[in-house]
Amino acid sequence: AAGVIQSPRHLIKEKRETATLKCYPIPRHDTVYWYQQGPGQDPQFLISFYEKMQSDKGSIPDRFSAQQFSDYHSELNMSSLELGDSALYFCASSLGGGRNEKLFFGSGTQLSVL
Amino acid sequence: DAKTTQPPSMDCAEGRAANLPCNHSTISGNEYVYWYRQIHSQGPQYIIHGLKNNETNEMASLIITEDRKSSTLILPHATLRDTAVYYCIVRVANTGNQFYFGTGTSLTVIP
Repeated sequence: AAGVIQSPRHLIKEKRETATLKCYPIPRHDTVYWYQQGPGQDPQFLISFYEKMQSDKGSIPDRFSAQQFSDYHSELNMSSLELGDSALYFCASSLGGGRNEKLFFGSGTQLSVL
Repeated sequence: DAKTTQPPSMDCAEGRAANLPCNHSTISGNEYVYWYRQIHSQGPQYIIHGLKNNETNEMASLIITEDRKSSTLILPHATLRDTAVYYCIVRVANTGNQFYFGTGTSLTVIP
């Protein structure tokens, strides 16, 4: 079965550069979530989208923005990168954002900021 | 929002049942309990979820107390591949139904 696809798998950037992470949800899934997981930490919710509209916002820095496109894929744009942005970034998708809908996670993008 | 409390680590002998507890004393009546696990920086993997009835699937069983203030995930016959961090998550019943990870339990299955 098709899973959540994230690209790239690894990304190396320098401080103050920009980065774009992409997420392709499971077909027919209309809800996308982004999470950040620093080294040795638990995943932290950043932002979510339902039907191309932002549905909720967590601890996402102002330097980051995200959107969901008409084909339901999502992109996380990160600007003015800092060393502390080095982390695993996970995308998840679900069918609807209801409380009884489980999330399916991608394999993540490992971002390293040098 | 309902928060969860889990022991930071547990060991379990291979082949035995692993019982992972979770406290969620502030859970609301319409909030679901989810369990996920994460194996070595891979994407979190869904295990099971429930509202108030006990649930069972091919991976595990979920026992929720009658007052819903705690739950236990049971892996009936733990294998070495079950070594992972297990997260108990209560899906918050407000806008967006946010899905917050807590600190999780690091389960080590010992040969």
